[in-house]
Amino acid sequence: NAGVTQTPKFRVLKTGQSMTLLCAQDMNHEYMYWYRQDPGMGLRLIHYSVGEGTTAKGEVPDGYNVSRLKKQNFLLGLESAAPSQTSVYFCASSRPGTQNIQYFGAGTRLSVL
Amino acid sequence: RKEVEQDPGPFNVPEGATVAFNCTYSNSASQSFFWYRQDCRKEPKLLMSVYSSGNEDGRFTAQLNRASQYISLLIRDSKLSDSATYLCVVKYRDDKIIFGKGTRLHILP
Repeated sequence: NAGVTQTPKFRVLKTGQSMTLLCAQDMNHEYMYWYRQDPGMGLRLIHYSVGEGTTAKGEVPDGYNVSRLKKQNFLLGLESAAPSQTSVYFCASSRPGTQNIQYFGAGTRLSVL
Repeated sequence: RKEVEQDPGPFNVPEGATVAFNCTYSNSASQSFFWYRQDCRKEPKLLMSVYSSGNEDGRFTAQLNRASQYISLLIRDSKLSDSATYLCVVKYRDDKIIFGKGTRLHILP
């Protein structure tokens, strides 16, 4: 079972470059999320989506854009990367409801020089 | 007060000992509670949900105290493989989910 798959696993960017992180889930989940995790900061929600074609801002959305054109995919874009965006990015998916257990991808380690 | 607070640790515990840590939350409009486990350089994974009546899964026991707004995790007969960061997670009725920053646990041989 693939679950939640993130690509790429690692990436190094120069300041000002753009890139897209891809998240794909095969569990038919309605909800998808993008988090970043930095030392001492815990997981912080960037953007999330409650269904195909809908997205919403999380706690730290600035500098990022997202799209959910297909239910199984959630894309995170960095239009002009900055060193402050160096982080580990996790995608997660879940079903709505009381439990709303989140399943995470393995993460993308991004360095912006 | 932060929405979800945890003691960052680290808790250094000898193998075989019992260890417990708490997590406090500030918003009473919370609906569900969870403990996730995150190994070094890995993704978080669900350890267990926390039910109002308390629940046990093998060596792990989770409890909820709504009056005092905290949840707890107890690990008995700790193993080296229990070394990880334990994340407290609170879900609200509007589906908002807040992760604590985690408590680091080191089991010593």
